Amino acid sequence: GIQVEQSPPDLILQEGANSTLRCNFSDSVNNLQWFHQNPWGQLINLFYIPSGTKQNGRLSATTVATERYSLLYISSSQTTDSGVYFCAVITQGGSEKLVFGKGTKLTVNP
Amino acid sequence: DTGVSQNPRHKITKRGQNVTFRCDPISEHNRLYWYRQTLGQGPEFLTYFQNEAQLEKSRLLSDRFSAERPKGSFSTLEIQRTEQGDSAMYLCASSLVGKEAFFGQGTRLTVV
Repeated sequence: GIQVEQSPPDLILQEGANSTLRCNFSDSVNNLQWFHQNPWGQLINLFYIPSGTKQNGRLSATTVATERYSLLYISSSQTTDSGVYFCAVITQGGSEKLVFGKGTKLTVNP
Repeated sequence: DTGVSQNPRHKITKRGQNVTFRCDPISEHNRLYWYRQTLGQGPEFLTYFQNEAQLEKSRLLSDRFSAERPKGSFSTLEIQRTEQGDSAMYLCASSLVGKEAFFGQGTRLTVV
């Protein structure tokens, strides 16, 4: 099945810093989503981005489908950005399930 | 629409007991997914439905696990004869076919 790799596994920042999280996937995809898991365990939708670039406030994401990667940018980070960020994909022409990476744990210190 | 709803939020059970979780998807969504997540890992796929049909089951879904979506609306996930290894967060998601998936708050199961 498809492999989804996220990097870095852990990231520690000072408030106000910028960061880039990466998601590599091993096969063509129909769907790619970025989630933020809050301290209570709920997955919060950030972006639905199978290709192209989207922005939402301080967050933006870019997926280059032909090169099989996606990037999540966080600018001017805040302590509330802390948590685990997951990338998840659905492959083209295969199973319709979302396959998750192992996540990037972000800690933003005041 | 209040989003995907899961009940209960927390469940503590003794080993060997049966438990059942419920998921109410976003009303117009025809796809419903169940995932399991253990500490420090990403969510792992268990099964999914399109309307009332169960289209795929993971090998993780042993014969002690059963899921239903009888009328194509809410779904239940039952675990029989629970084991300590079943302790995890159980997540439900819904979507339209080929569209963005949305997750509920999850049910945290602890088997003692």
